[in-house]
Amino acid sequence: AQTVTQSQPEMSVQEAETVTLSCTYDTSESDYYLFWYKQPPSRQMILVIRQEAYKQQNATENRFSVNFQKAAKSFSLKISDSQLGDAAMYFCAYRTQNTGNQFYFGTGTSLTVIP
Amino acid sequence: DTAVSQTPKYLVTQMGNDKSIKCEQNLGHDTMYWYKQDSKKFLKIMFSYNNKELIINETVPNRFSPKSPDKAHLNLHINSLELGDSAVYFCASSQWGRYNEQFFGPGTRLTVL
Repeated sequence: AQTVTQSQPEMSVQEAETVTLSCTYDTSESDYYLFWYKQPPSRQMILVIRQEAYKQQNATENRFSVNFQKAAKSFSLKISDSQLGDAAMYFCAYRTQNTGNQFYFGTGTSLTVIP
Repeated sequence: DTAVSQTPKYLVTQMGNDKSIKCEQNLGHDTMYWYKQDSKKFLKIMFSYNNKELIINETVPNRFSPKSPDKAHLNLHINSLELGDSAVYFCASSQWGRYNEQFFGPGTRLTVL
C-alpha cells in the first residue's frame, strides 16, 4: 500500500511570511493524484490544492503553490503571505488509480500563524 | 446547498449502546467513504462504496457496519460501542475517475462514556 509521510508535526510562521510544509510518499504507480487538505478548528476538511502526477507544472492556487518532485516522490506546499486564517492542520493525500480510487492521508502538520 | 451532510454532528452515548451516523451527498457522486479521525488527528479509511457496492473494507471491527441504500447515502451503524470508538467520523464522497478530489462532510464527534 502507498504511504504518505509528513515529517513536520508542527510548524509556525509569522503573519505575512512564507512557510513550506513537507510531504513525501511511496508508490510504484506512475499515474496518481496528490492533494493538500486543510482542517481548521471547525474540523471541516477543505481542499487547498491538487496535482496530477503526469503534469510537470506545479499547481498554484492564489497564495498556495506546490513543489512537486516526482522522481523524489516529494510534494511540498508553500503558503505565501501567511494569514491568521491559514492556521489549521494540513494533510497531504495521495490518490491511487487502483484499489477503489483510495486516498491515503499523511499524519498532518499543525500550522500556527503568529500575529 | 450542503454538499456532504452528516447527522448528528455530536453523539454522546454509553458503552454497549448501538448508534448510527447518517451521511448524504447531493453532488451526484458515485463513491462514498467513511473515515475515522482519532485524537491525534490521524485519518483512517474504514469503508468505501462505489455505486452502492462495497469496494474498500479496511480492518475494522465487525461491530461497524456500513449501509448504502442508494448512491447518495452511506450510513454507518455501530454495535456495542466501546470507549476506543470515541473519535470524529467523517463521511466523504467523490466521483470515480481521474483528478477527482474527495468532498468531506462536517464530521460527527462520537464520545463513548
